[in-house]
Amino acid sequence: GENVEQHPSTLSVQEGDSAVIKCTYSDSASNYFPWYKQELGKRPQLIIDIRSNVGEKKDQRIAVTLNKTAKHFSLHITETQPEDSAVYFCAAVTGTASKLTFGTGTRLQVTL
Amino acid sequence: DGGITQSPKYLFRKEGQNVTLSCEQNLNHDAMYWYRQDPGQGLRLIYYSQIVNDFQKGDIAEGYSVSREKKESFPLTVTSAQKNPTAFYLCASSPRKGINTEAFFGQGTRLTVV
Repeated sequence: GENVEQHPSTLSVQEGDSAVIKCTYSDSASNYFPWYKQELGKRPQLIIDIRSNVGEKKDQRIAVTLNKTAKHFSLHITETQPEDSAVYFCAAVTGTASKLTFGTGTRLQVTL
Repeated sequence: DGGITQSPKYLFRKEGQNVTLSCEQNLNHDAMYWYRQDPGQGLRLIYYSQIVNDFQKGDIAEGYSVSREKKESFPLTVTSAQKNPTAFYLCASSPRKGINTEAFFGQGTRLTVV
């Protein structure tokens, strides 16, 4: 089955700096890669996603890149703000099984 | 707020007892999922279902059981066989089998074994 690894587990950046979170996956049949943000005490919510036929996607300060050959994908947050502080999860979905597998999460702390 | 409801929000159980966590969605989603969240371990998949009357084991199914008798409902039973049941449980749903789109989460149930 699919295995998703995520690094780092914790990340501290100063406000205004960039943050990068990296994930690798094992199943070459995976074709959908969402990223979720979970604020303290709240449910995870989708912030951006990418499909396997696309190499990069951007939405304002957030971007995701995908390297299918290497089976890794990354989340990039630019100009970080205190409200970006949360736990971020990457995930992979194998289309035929609709099985959504998550990484272990990255706790991002944006300091003033 | 997402149309997926978990109840109760907090649940206490005595050791040796089974307990059922409720998950209901009114989004007409085909796929539903149960995850367990422990500190530092992310979201681990317990069971998932792509269609009514069908479900598959996830990565940590031992000690859990589910049913999918209705499209809207996917209850999770934590049995006495689950050795370490204290955790935060999240239910999710997504629109279509084989179509990769956003999953929506419930607000979670925190289960404590006393």
